[in-house]
Formats: sequence, structure tokens, C-alpha cells
Amino acid sequence: DAGVTQSPTHLIKTRGQQVTLRCSPKSGHDTVSWYQQALGQGPQFIFQYYEEEERQRGNFPDRFSGHQFPNYSSELNVNALLLGDSALYLCASSLLAGGQFFGPGTRLTVL
Amino acid sequence: AQSVTQPDIHITVSEGASLELRCNYSYGATPYLFWYVQSPGQGLQLLLKYFSGDTLVQGIKGFEAEFKRSQSSFNLRKPSVHWSDAAEYFCAVGDDSGGGADGLTFGKGTHLIIQP
Repeated sequence: DAGVTQSPTHLIKTRGQQVTLRCSPKSGHDTVSWYQQALGQGPQFIFQYYEEEERQRGNFPDRFSGHQFPNYSSELNVNALLLGDSALYLCASSLLAGGQFFGPGTRLTVL
Repeated sequence: AQSVTQPDIHITVSEGASLELRCNYSYGATPYLFWYVQSPGQGLQLLLKYFSGDTLVQGIKGFEAEFKRSQSSFNLRKPSVHWSDAAEYFCAVGDDSGGGADGLTFGKGTHLIIQP
């Protein structure tokens, strides 16, 4: 049983560009959450998708948007990249009351 | 707003010694509490979770944690650490309205160093 998978593993972009990160949830999970983890910090919640809709959102600007597909996979899009967006982006999948299971993350570097 | 404090940024423990990592939370209702471990360059692995019931919860890799409502704490313990336990440990709290599936609030983490 595959766990949560994310692609790509690493990504380098320049300021002002746009980026799309992808996540496939653990088999049987229907909820996907995205987190940003800056170097030396704990993860910060960006938003969560359930039934193809944004169910909950953290304190992130509208430059951060997402999507969930009918097969429960998800995308995170970030527009107008800033240097401060450089971080490890983590995807987590879950079922209600089951705890969240994290993928290995995508390391985004903005130059 | 909910918050999590992990008072110890770094902890050094000798291999075979016992371990306790501290976690304090701030939350208005009954929290859903989690401990995760992160090895360098990796994602987070769930060690254990507390939703309700017995306040002493057992997790993977020989870890356990105790929920103490009166102290707003959820400390992680292990009786004897192994060199492979060296990693970053995160405590997190979730809202109970979503059954633990809501967005989590994490502490800043505790870096565990194991001395031979």
C-alpha cells in the first residue's frame, strides 16, 4: 500500500514565477492538507481539501491556491513567488478521526 | 487560537538513557494531540495520537505520551533511546470538530541528539 506521494522532489524557481506541486493521498484517504515548513520551523497549515472543495484555510495569502481531483489527488499552486516562499511543502492525507499521514515533501527554492 | 509550545529546542541524551520531550498546548476545548518525528530531509511520521479515553497512549517505536489536562501538557517519553531515534520531534494540536482531520498547529520542534 503506497503512502502519500508528492512530486516533484525538488524545484527551483525565480521570483515572480508560478509553481504547481502535486500530491497523491494514501489509498482510501479522501482529505488532503497542505503545509509549509520553513527551515528550522514547524509546519504551518496552508489549507485542506475534501470532496474537491477547500474545507479549511490557514493564514496564507490568496497567492496560494489549490485543487482536489475526483481521485482525491491534489495540487498546490503558488503565484508571484517571493523569496520567502522557499520552504519544504508537505502534503498530508487523512480520514476523519484517523490522524494525518505526511508525504516526503517538495523542496521549493525561490531565487 | 490554538498554540503549541515545545520549550526545548535541543536535547542531548545518551544511548540507552530515558527520554522525555515536553509539549504544552493552548486550546479552549478538548484537543486532539499528536507527536510526529522527522528525519533530515524527510516528511513527518506519526508516532502517536490522543483523541479521548486513556490519557496514556502508546505509539510506534516504543514511544508513549501522557495527556495531562490540568497542566495542558502532552509529553513524549521513551524508556531507552537508540541512536536511530536522533531526529526532529514535533508536537501538534488539532481541532476536535473535524475528528482530528482538521489543519494541525505544530510546535517549533525539539532536535534530539543521541550521544554514544
